[in-house]
Amino acid sequence: AQTVTQSQPEMSVQEAETVTLSCTYDTSESNYYLFWYKQPPSRQMILVIRQEAYKQQNATENRFSVNFQKAAKSFSLKISDSQLGDTAMYFCAYQYSGAGSYQLTFGKGTKLSVIP
Amino acid sequence: ETGVTQSPTHLIKTRGQQVTLRCSSQSGHNTVSWYQQALGQGPQFIFQYYREEENGRGNFPPRFSGLQFPNYSSELNVNALELDDSALYLCASSSHRLTLAKNIQYFGAGTRLSVL
Repeated sequence: AQTVTQSQPEMSVQEAETVTLSCTYDTSESNYYLFWYKQPPSRQMILVIRQEAYKQQNATENRFSVNFQKAAKSFSLKISDSQLGDTAMYFCAYQYSGAGSYQLTFGKGTKLSVIP
Repeated sequence: ETGVTQSPTHLIKTRGQQVTLRCSSQSGHNTVSWYQQALGQGPQFIFQYYREEENGRGNFPPRFSGLQFPNYSSELNVNALELDDSALYLCASSSHRLTLAKNIQYFGAGTRLSVL
């Protein structure tokens, strides 16, 4: 079974600074997707970024970028120029891309606080 | 915001009762997944519905059941409620058809269920 581990329960960062959230995962599959989702106090899970495992190039979305190390099974999220609106729970998630239900397996999350 | 809507937003039930939660999927999506998120944890996959059929199930007992309707909306039913069923229930919609966004799951704001 696949597992996703987020080893940082809580982190904080000063506004405008850069922060990196860590995630490791375990799978025997070679084709999969990895995601970072953000869950603010409003509860809605919002997609931040997606990485396809067969792509060596790291995904970027504006201020958000990932460092994907397939051999090490590591998938970290870097947030640049942190903003107050980035305060939220961040979840790393794995999705097998072969046949099946495409279910997401989530880590336990990292609570990020952006300090003014 | 996504086009995924869930109702009700909050529900209080007593142990042994039954509950039905509802989800309307985003326009153009044909697949609905349900997740349970206990307090302080990441979401856990309950099951997924595709073309009105169950298409994958997580480690949840049979008293958790679901339906998907021809318009792709869905219901989650839980019988014989237990105290441990208290959680945020998240619905996510996706599509097997879209090429670039295939199987990306977009979440609703959830239903907070409290079992007393």
